[in-house]
Amino acid sequence: SAVISQKPSRDICQRGTSLTIQCQVDSQVTMMFWYRQQPGQSLTLIATANQGSEATYESGFVIDKFPISRPNLTFSTLTVSNMSPEDSSIYLCSATTGGPNIQYFGAGTRLSVL
Amino acid sequence: GQNIDQPTEMTATEGAIVQINCTYQTSGFNGLFWYQQHAGEAPTFLSYNVLDGLEEKGRFSSFLSRSKGYSYLLLKELQMKDSASYLCGGAGGGNKLTFGTGTQLKVEL
Repeated sequence: SAVISQKPSRDICQRGTSLTIQCQVDSQVTMMFWYRQQPGQSLTLIATANQGSEATYESGFVIDKFPISRPNLTFSTLTVSNMSPEDSSIYLCSATTGGPNIQYFGAGTRLSVL
Repeated sequence: GQNIDQPTEMTATEGAIVQINCTYQTSGFNGLFWYQQHAGEAPTFLSYNVLDGLEEKGRFSSFLSRSKGYSYLLLKELQMKDSASYLCGGAGGGNKLTFGTGTQLKVEL
């Protein structure tokens, strides 16, 4: 298994600003992912964070809005850029450790945009 | 792509057994995952199936039929703490997970 630490746990931001969320894993992992979870809804995959190269984004998500970094095997960041109230959501990081590729999740970042 | 369907909510009685169904359609299949998520918390891994049949882990079991695109999560001896959302997720290419809407389970006395 893996322990995923995510920060901040929550934040309240003004529209037009940007927030960077950090995700740290306690062991070397094979893959890292970023999800969004709207209130009362399930998880939607934003992108796969690739080490040393550009992230792979899902349909409806673009790099200019959600730039992602993964400088090494255990750390990744997601930035929510030029925020609007529609970006208010929970953002979660996950990682797999190989084998059956079970994804382990961080506690999430609860973002509110005013 | 993937399409995952599961009931939105279910109610069951403490001590009883409940079965949460999930159907999936996928262009590539690398396993079917079940997660539990309590309100305000991260999803936690419960079970994983890649081959047909039943996987048992204590009070929780999960079943998969690949030919039918069908899975279920079985919870036995229900406890109040089992009240949570249960997410069915299908793994496709790149080991990406596509989740259903989640089934909100309420356990009552």
